[in-house]
Amino acid sequence: SQQGEEDPQALSIQEGENATMNCSYKTSINNLQWYRQNSGRGLVHLILIRSNEREKHSGRLRVTLDTSKKSSSLLITASRAADTASYFCATGFISDDMRFGAGTRLTVKP
Amino acid sequence: DVKVTQSSRYLVKRTGEKVFLECVQDMDHENMFWYRQDPGLGLRLIYFSYDVKMKEKGDIPEGYSVSREKKERFSLILESASTNQTSMYLCASSMTPYNSPLHFGNGTRLTVT
Repeated sequence: SQQGEEDPQALSIQEGENATMNCSYKTSINNLQWYRQNSGRGLVHLILIRSNEREKHSGRLRVTLDTSKKSSSLLITASRAADTASYFCATGFISDDMRFGAGTRLTVKP
Repeated sequence: DVKVTQSSRYLVKRTGEKVFLECVQDMDHENMFWYRQDPGLGLRLIYFSYDVKMKEKGDIPEGYSVSREKKERFSLILESASTNQTSMYLCASSMTPYNSPLHFGNGTRLTVT
């Protein structure tokens, strides 16, 4: 199956710092999505960026997409303890459904 | 807001039992999905459905089947539960198969002993 791969696997920062997570994928995509998962819960959709977009913002979240490098990044600015969660990218293909990576575990220390 | 409800939060079953995991969504979405989540492996797609009575295999369908008799309900069936099916199971729904957000339930943590 084709899916995104997040990097790093784990990230630990102090409250107030910025957190950057990366996602790489292997083939053409229709869109790329980022999700958050709090411990033991379901995933919550954060942002969808289409293949013809390069950057998208939502509150403290900024997502970039570089289709030439087949990569995306998620930046969380001014992080808070409540941002502690796992973050997943999911790639949507032309004729396929969503596939997820293994996620980045973000810990924000107060 | 879209609500996706999974019938059980925790479930403990014995090896060989037939297990039913139920999922209901309230937004009239055409598409529904079942994933399992295991540490280090992320989410893996088991089955999905684009319409009532339609189903498509995902990446790991072996040992599972599904049923979609009504648009709002998508059931995952473990025909004969095995210990390697101990996992977190996540149901999701979406308006379109690949270019709209997925809405997830809170998951069912299944333990097979």
